[in-house]
Amino acid sequence: KNEVEQSPQNLTAQEGEFITINCSYSVGISALHWLQQHPGGGIVSLFMLSSGKKKHGRLIATINIQEKHSSLHITASHPRDSAVYICAVSSQRDTDKLIFGTGTRLQVFP
Amino acid sequence: DGGITQSPKYLFRKEGQNVTLSCEQNLNHDAMYWYRQDPGQGLRLIYYSQIVNDFQKGDIAEGYSVSREKKESFPLTVTSAQKNPTAFYLCASSMAGGSEQYFGPGTRLTVT
Repeated sequence: KNEVEQSPQNLTAQEGEFITINCSYSVGISALHWLQQHPGGGIVSLFMLSSGKKKHGRLIATINIQEKHSSLHITASHPRDSAVYICAVSSQRDTDKLIFGTGTRLQVFP
Repeated sequence: DGGITQSPKYLFRKEGQNVTLSCEQNLNHDAMYWYRQDPGQGLRLIYYSQIVNDFQKGDIAEGYSVSREKKESFPLTVTSAQKNPTAFYLCASSMAGGSEQYFGPGTRLTVT
């Protein structure tokens, strides 16, 4: 079993829909990261959080440390949101190393 | 503009040849990382370096080598000993200690 699990693996949506991507982890963490990878391959860090909730534009990330679960929400989705969203954690044992989920591929259609 | 660059974007090599992938950052970050990405799998750590002249093996270091002679540069050599070198390689950097990582655009290596 992977230490970081994401669901769903693939997600399609119509423009304007509210989207949720989930991430569960089984190790003790110092922080959780949400990353975005566009079709060209480059990766951008969206959020790094260790508690509570963060918001940036139409993106919201939440984390529940007790339940070892995080969600990434996209409000009013747009075709330009189409990308692979990756959850990663910094483990407490070695904070310099990230453990990655396999990603959620999101396609938003106009 | 601060950032992290990788070159080249696409690289083709014949089996049995060593190849070096470049990674440079001007973010003044102490830590640098090399990852490999294969279809359907999460990123896997090859090597990382927290300080100049020091580096540690990641989860899949066999068949790879690195150097960290300058803070800005962390080149990765894919040796002929790497059994399945065809992959997408990503370099990243961060301030030390588990902080946010900044990724380069990646190099897609194809070995035939």
